Amino acid sequence: QKEVEQNSGPLSVPEGAIASLNCTYSDRVSQSFFWYRQYSGKSPELIMSIYSNGDKEDGRFTAQLNKASQYVSLLIRDSQPSDSATYLCAVNGDTDKLIFGTGTRLQVFP
Amino acid sequence: EPEVTQTPSHQVTQMGQEVILRCVPISNHLYFYWYRQILGQKVEFLVSFYNNEISEKSEIFDDQFSVERPDGSNFTLKIRSTKLEDSAMYFCASSEAHSTGELFFGEGSRLTVL
Repeated sequence: QKEVEQNSGPLSVPEGAIASLNCTYSDRVSQSFFWYRQYSGKSPELIMSIYSNGDKEDGRFTAQLNKASQYVSLLIRDSQPSDSATYLCAVNGDTDKLIFGTGTRLQVFP
Repeated sequence: EPEVTQTPSHQVTQMGQEVILRCVPISNHLYFYWYRQILGQKVEFLVSFYNNEISEKSEIFDDQFSVERPDGSNFTLKIRSTKLEDSAMYFCASSEAHSTGELFFGEGSRLTVL
């Protein structure tokens, strides 16, 4: 059974701080890794993708991948209250489907 | 900005009734998906569709479920005889290329089975 694990949270950070979200996956053949943001009652929205080891930065977001440790993370710098949402880690390997984690709920307080 | 559109946004049905959920994927995308999310749970893969046929399906996608692309734009999910446990948010997604795996989701159709 291929699994993607995330801490459900909530992770509470003050406005302006760095939020660090973590994810581990079980399938070593996984090749593509994604972070989606999901506001309550809304659909998942793709915010970052990463395919190779190391860091990938896009604005306030940095995704980090370590395939040896089967670990993916997302850093959100200068967190804003509008970043408050559930962040879903998703992984795929050599098949069509994305496997999602349960998500980490992030709360950014003013 | 192109987007995936889904109808209806909410459907209430009686157990045993047939339901069809509709999706219009992004126009130049080639891969289409249905996922579902039961309230408070994770997003689960149902089925993927490419070149007018199912490319992969999960164990959830049993004989009660079917998908088709009846014309060049719509992509539908049919549940033949709904059960209480089919109550969920159903998301359609599309992708330009399988290799990237970057899926773009519609706003979802909430199905409530009574």
